[in-house]
Amino acid sequence: DIQMTQSPSSLSASVGDRVTITCRASQSVTTYLNWYQQKPGKAIKLLIYAASSVQSGVPSRFSGSGSGTDFTLTISSLQPEDFATYYCQQSYSTPFTFGPGTKVDI
Amino acid sequence: QVQLQESGPGLVKPSETLSLTCTVSGGSSSSYYWSWIRQPPGKRLEWIGYVYDSGTTNYNPSLKSRVTLSVDTSKNQFSLKLRSVTAADTAVYYCARLSSGHYEAADLWGQGTMVSVSS
Repeated sequence: DIQMTQSPSSLSASVGDRVTITCRASQSVTTYLNWYQQKPGKAIKLLIYAASSVQSGVPSRFSGSGSGTDFTLTISSLQPEDFATYYCQQSYSTPFTFGPGTKVDI
Repeated sequence: QVQLQESGPGLVKPSETLSLTCTVSGGSSSSYYWSWIRQPPGKRLEWIGYVYDSGTTNYNPSLKSRVTLSVDTSKNQFSLKLRSVTAADTAVYYCARLSSGHYEAADLWGQGTMVSVSS
């Protein structure tokens, strides 16, 4: 199985801050890397697919980059509704695997 | 708009079978991969497997011996059966749609349903 790691595991930030979360795969996943947002009591939301493609309806402040084994999710200007947990996931090979998550709070 | 909703018992006894159904509303269940994903308390998301509308399946090897996924396109539903459950199977279970046009990302999720395994 491809192992996924994320850093940091949590971070504190303020509205307006630029936030960067990193994700690393144990082997190359080319660009089969996705980012999701999870909020309590809400359905998990796809933010970024194929490493850098922004899902329809997702604000442009979210962006993704990377290929191979190293990836980043960037929120250019943190908004109050962005406080959540973010997960990366590889869909390069089954079993698809997720990172441990990064919790973004105030 | 298309929505997914999980349903099934919230409590299952050890050694029994966990059965969940996901209903697709507002759209068809044809021509997509349908997936189940779970999250044990305090742990990361774990992919269980997917089923295509043809019945083709792909399971996580860690669960393969105990899991069966199926789809009923006439009812716009797909289902999960997990046999011989233990406390380690206690988790929030999510159904999701995988999009081949999005590199197999899960572009639509249900709200999730908590299933506890306890006598």
